[in-house]
Amino acid sequence: DTGVSQDPRHKITKRGQNVTFRCDPISEHNRLYWYRQTLGQGPEFLTYFQNEAQLEKSRLLSDRFSAERPKGSFSTLEIQRTEQGDSAMYLCASSLTQGSTEAFFGQGTRLTVV
Amino acid sequence: GQQLNQSPQSMFIQEGEDVSMNCTSSSIFNTWLWYKQDPGEGPVLLIALYKAGELTSNGRLTAQFGITRKDSFLNISASIPSDVGIYFCAGPPSLYGNKLVFGAGTILRVKS
Repeated sequence: DTGVSQDPRHKITKRGQNVTFRCDPISEHNRLYWYRQTLGQGPEFLTYFQNEAQLEKSRLLSDRFSAERPKGSFSTLEIQRTEQGDSAMYLCASSLTQGSTEAFFGQGTRLTVV
Repeated sequence: GQQLNQSPQSMFIQEGEDVSMNCTSSSIFNTWLWYKQDPGEGPVLLIALYKAGELTSNGRLTAQFGITRKDSFLNISASIPSDVGIYFCAGPPSLYGNKLVFGAGTILRVKS
């Protein structure tokens, strides 16, 4: 399968715990995006990388959230001190270089904070 | 921020019927994308539109980039049960946009 891969698919955690999600983009795509989706809404942009550089962060990305893409390939999204409001689907997408806005999404990680 | 408004919010149609939905914006978009999302899955890209007035098909799906560049339309012909899902329009909110803004989606339910 050469699509965007996310792991885990589901995560249940207790409030206050830290969680980390992983995304493996389509191999030739050097842009990687993180989105968050809550029930009944479309995905909302969180952040994106061009290769290993994090070029934009949404104001939705509080200081408890951090994303990395250390070698310009896979990316991780960490949420520290999780809150119930963090419960959502976290989606990763990738696209080719500038000029292409066609983003291809992974299957997402469903986070439930109890 | 920029918002995309999708209409209708949900539809319940008979199998075999044609379906139309639309997406509008208060500002101009240079690209329109249509995605479909099944429960528990990520959105899947259906059609991409890049030019005002453009009409593009993908099987039974046809999408149009509105002349005003502030709207787009998606039509599904002869709907089948597997068309069930949520359809999202999306686009980059600026000319050099690197992110997408999404509408809230149109939920399609098909009665077989």
